[in-house]
Amino acid sequence: SYDLTQPPSMSVSPGQTASITCSGDKLGDKYTYWYQQKPGHSPVLVIYQDNKRPSGIPERFSGSNSGNAATLTISGTQALDEADYYCQAWDSSTVVFGGGTKLTVL
Amino acid sequence: QVQVQASGPGLVKPSETLSLTCTVSGGSISNEYWSWIRQPPGKGLEWIGYIYYSGSTKYNPSLKSRVTISVDTSKNQFSLKLRSVTTADTAVYYCAKGGGSVDYWGQGTLVTVSS
Repeated sequence: SYDLTQPPSMSVSPGQTASITCSGDKLGDKYTYWYQQKPGHSPVLVIYQDNKRPSGIPERFSGSNSGNAATLTISGTQALDEADYYCQAWDSSTVVFGGGTKLTVL
Repeated sequence: QVQVQASGPGLVKPSETLSLTCTVSGGSISNEYWSWIRQPPGKGLEWIGYIYYSGSTKYNPSLKSRVTISVDTSKNQFSLKLRSVTTADTAVYYCAKGGGSVDYWGQGTLVTVSS
């Protein structure tokens, strides 16, 4: 089975840049998607097809994908960006999620 | 904007079948993929499977032997059945719009497996 690996947690200071990585074998050959989940809420898609932002997602969210890793970058991180972030890819027509990264803004 | 809402029993006994229905409103179920995803308390997301409105399905290999997802286009609904449940199946179950990726998630419903 295909695995996606994320760091369990990371922290960032307000106004700084947060970079959350997601690694998987030849991940750069697949599209990667990123979801934000705040406590008690359903996940929200923040990046699709590696680097595209859905309508309504702030420009500070960006994504990249190359080689064996994809990265979600949050520029000028705000307190309201504190959440769990999950990467997701599609392998052999099955959907795989990373384990999630808890982003703390402090 | 399309909305999806899962409904069904919040408590299921071990060895029985978990059954949930997702109602799609604000849009048609046609020409779209629809997914079920779950999240055990305090844990990450686990993909269960998806269905195309025509009825074709794809399941998580680890759950495939116990899962059936079906669609009823006349009711704008799709459904999940998970057989022979154990306490490990306790989770918030989400229905969602999308297949290979999910562009809209429903509210989620907690299903507890307990005797």
